[in-house]
Amino acid sequence: SQTIHQWPATLVQPVGSPLSLECTVEGTSNPNLYWYRQAAGRGLQLLFYSVGIGQISSEVPQNLSASRPQDRQFILSSKKLLLSDSGFYLCAWSGLAPLQQFFGPGTRLTVL
Amino acid sequence: DQQVKQNSPSLSVQEGRISILNCDYTNSMFDYFLWYKKYPAEGPTFLISISSIKDKNEDGRFTVFLNKSAKHLSLHIVPSQPGDSAVYFCAANPGGTSYGKLTFGQGTILTVHP
Repeated sequence: SQTIHQWPATLVQPVGSPLSLECTVEGTSNPNLYWYRQAAGRGLQLLFYSVGIGQISSEVPQNLSASRPQDRQFILSSKKLLLSDSGFYLCAWSGLAPLQQFFGPGTRLTVL
Repeated sequence: DQQVKQNSPSLSVQEGRISILNCDYTNSMFDYFLWYKKYPAEGPTFLISISSIKDKNEDGRFTVFLNKSAKHLSLHIVPSQPGDSAVYFCAANPGGTSYGKLTFGQGTILTVHP
C-alpha cells in the first residue's frame, strides 16, 4: 500500500533562517506531488506541484521554492523565512486520478 | 480572494441526528467538487466527490448535494456518529488540467456529541 511521510511534524524557526521540509512517498511510481499551506483562518492553498523529477510548477509567487530530486521525494525550501511563512504545510500525492489526493500528516511551522 | 468558502467555522450536533456542512464557491469554471475529512495530527483524507453534471452523490451515510445555480454544495451526514468529529474541507477543481488543481475552503469543525 502507499504511504506518505513528512518531517518534521513541528518546527519553530527564527525570521531569516533557512527552511527545508521533506516529503517522501512509498508504494507508488511517478506520482504527482503537491505542497499546500494552510495559514490561520484560510483554506489549504496549493503552493507547488510536480508531475515528474525536476519538474516544478509554482501556483503563487512567494518566498518558498520546491525541488523533486527523486521520483518519490519532494522538498520545500526557503533561504530566508518570513513571519508570513508560518502555517501548516501539507504534502500530497495523486496517481491516475489526479483529483483524489492523499495527504501526509503535515508540518506545523512557526516563524518567530 | 477566497474562491471556496465555508462560512461556518464550527458545527455541533447530537449523535444520531443529521449534520449539514455547507460550502459556497465563486468560480463558475469549477466542475468537480470534493469533501475531505481531517483528524488532529493527520493529513486530510478523501471522503466523497461530485461532478458538476450531477446534483447528488451518495456513499453510505454521506451525501453531497450540488446546486450549480446557487454555486453551493453541502455535505449531509446521517446519522452522525461521535467518530465523525473532525475538520471537514470542501475543495473544487476547474477541470482542463492534467494535475489535481484543488482550491480548498477554510474548513468546518464538526463535533458530534454522544
